[in-house]
Amino acid sequence: AQSVTQPDIHITVSEGASLELRCNYSYGATPYLFWYVQSPGQGLQLLLKYFSGDTLVQGIKGFEAEFKRSQSSFNLRKPSVHWSDAAEYFCAVLPTMEYGNKLVFGAGTILRVKS
Amino acid sequence: DADVTQTPRNRITKTGKRIMLECSQTKGHDRMYWYRQDPGLGLRLIYYSFDVKDINKGEISDGYSVSRQAQAKFSLSLESAIPNQTALYFCATMRAGITDTQYFGPGTRLTVL
Repeated sequence: AQSVTQPDIHITVSEGASLELRCNYSYGATPYLFWYVQSPGQGLQLLLKYFSGDTLVQGIKGFEAEFKRSQSSFNLRKPSVHWSDAAEYFCAVLPTMEYGNKLVFGAGTILRVKS
Repeated sequence: DADVTQTPRNRITKTGKRIMLECSQTKGHDRMYWYRQDPGLGLRLIYYSFDVKDINKGEISDGYSVSRQAQAKFSLSLESAIPNQTALYFCATMRAGITDTQYFGPGTRLTVL
């Protein structure tokens, strides 16, 4: 079965520091890949997505992610974190060979930003 | 106005009560989904629907039922709520065709006492 692993439950970074959130997936083919952000009390907002092509994708709010097929990874990065980036981040995959367009989510990583 | 709305936003109920969560969308999408979110578990799929006559179980459908009253409306029911159904529930919509993403509502926080 497909699975998504986000190894870090919590991450704390200083404002202005760089950020990398890790995501690994298990799937026999290349899935479609997504990162969502959930701010406190809010729904999920799409940050970026990868379907095909350039393996480095740019998203909103200055985020980017790199798909590495050999590592089955899709890590999220930001060069300089702002206090408003404090939120929970979810990696998700959409298995392309399965009926239903069903997203499979990781457990989430909670980002704390210290000033 | 929001494209995907959920009502109520918060609900406290008692064990054994029947409760319905509603989702409406103005995006014109065919596909609609219900998820629940639990701390440390991410989001898990409960049910999904491709149209009013196409309802499918997700990963964790036991204890839940759904109704797709129209293309724009998808309701989730708990026939007899139990405390471990306390969670944050999200509705999502998606346009037919795989090269798209899902759009989420703001969520309903349900507490079962």
